Amino acid sequence: DVKVTQSSRYLVKRTGEKVFLECVQDMDHENMFWYRQDPGLGLRLIYFSYDVKMKEKGDIPEGYSVSREKKERFSLILESASTNQTSMYLCASRRRGWADTQYFGPGTRLTVL
Amino acid sequence: AQSVAQPEDQVNVAEGNPLTVKCTYSVSGNPYLFWYVQYPNRGLQFLLKYITGDNLVKGSYGFEAEFNKSQTSFHLKKPSALVSDSALYFCAVSVPAGKSTFGDGTTLTVKP
Repeated sequence: DVKVTQSSRYLVKRTGEKVFLECVQDMDHENMFWYRQDPGLGLRLIYFSYDVKMKEKGDIPEGYSVSREKKERFSLILESASTNQTSMYLCASRRRGWADTQYFGPGTRLTVL
Repeated sequence: AQSVAQPEDQVNVAEGNPLTVKCTYSVSGNPYLFWYVQYPNRGLQFLLKYITGDNLVKGSYGFEAEFNKSQTSFHLKKPSALVSDSALYFCAVSVPAGKSTFGDGTTLTVKP
């Protein structure tokens, strides 16, 4: 089974802090994604990566950056956390193509005070 | 731009009755369609997908979905609902060389 893990289930940070969310997958998938999930808004794509060191903006990249130095790891960075970034963050990976299934991590619930 | 609509925020059904969770989409080109389920405090899990071929797709846990190109719909169905099916369901669409777009989700509640 594909396993996608996220570094924290719950995280509480203060406004202005730099926040790192880590995601690791163990199936040698090329594609990885970061979404945020808010009630009534579904999943919104923040960034995705086709392969190592490659990244593309999703629908809501403002206030976020990403890093993918190794194939199995995809990091989401909040340079200066704000209260409107309080949300559930979901990481996903996919083998290669758009017809492939995405596998999701358990999520990180981030609260910014 | 592609989009997905799940017109019902909430679906309630009695255990043992059939259930339907609706999804319509808008894309340019041939779509790839997916259903995922999310249980409380968990990530999304894959249920089924339509890529090509037979319009009726069977997936995990007894769920199935029918692709209807003329109505641009991909409704999720199950003949007999279980209390354990209660969860949040997401429909998603992607196109070749395009990104995936998810619907807003539908909360399914199955009552004993």
